[in-house]
Amino acid sequence: GAVVSQHPSWVICKSGTSVKIECRSLDFQATTMFWYRQFPKQSLMLMATSNEGSKATYEQGVEKDKFLINHASLTLSTLTVTSAHPEDSSFYICSAATGPYEQYFGPGTRLTVT
Amino acid sequence: DQQVKQNSPSLSVQEGRISILNCDYTNSMFDYFLWYKKYPAEGPTFLISISSIKDKNEDGRFTVFLNKSAKHLSLHIVPSQPGDSAVYFCAGGLNTGGFKTIFGAGTRLFVKA
Repeated sequence: GAVVSQHPSWVICKSGTSVKIECRSLDFQATTMFWYRQFPKQSLMLMATSNEGSKATYEQGVEKDKFLINHASLTLSTLTVTSAHPEDSSFYICSAATGPYEQYFGPGTRLTVT
Repeated sequence: DQQVKQNSPSLSVQEGRISILNCDYTNSMFDYFLWYKKYPAEGPTFLISISSIKDKNEDGRFTVFLNKSAKHLSLHIVPSQPGDSAVYFCAGGLNTGGFKTIFGAGTRLFVKA
């Protein structure tokens, strides 16, 4: 149980285009989902906290107009990277929470912007 | 500001021996600590946690020790197995009006057969 999927697992896009990443909890409902970003050999950096039916809470330094988060249902959250640039290339991971600190992570999405 | 620090980027241990992964933190508001294990190209998976009011939690081969006065915790794996080879993330959890988890940079563990 407690499986989280992400789609796509890998995407290459051209600079200036937008990319949408989906995060789904497959066998449970998650009122809260988190979006993280990981650079090579670095920690998971929390980008935003997404609660179903409300606006996402963004961490300091994360541009909310660039990283659009929608949590449309208890099983789906999406992250859209708008007007992507090469510096947005990274590994994006979502997680779904079933309790205060019980997070189940997706497999991640590797974004490469050319 | 790195609130959770894992100062050893890697650790190599012989199969059957003990692996000790260390973690230091600066934020005294953390009320929960967690360890996650991550394989390449996969998301982290939860391993073990400890409440800030405890000093030890054990689950099979995994034990986490917390020293609040030193703001230090460690994960012990005994005995270590080759399948334990992965990146281990230490994380602190706090409630700032919403629950948040702050991760360390991770330690890559190699268990040699």
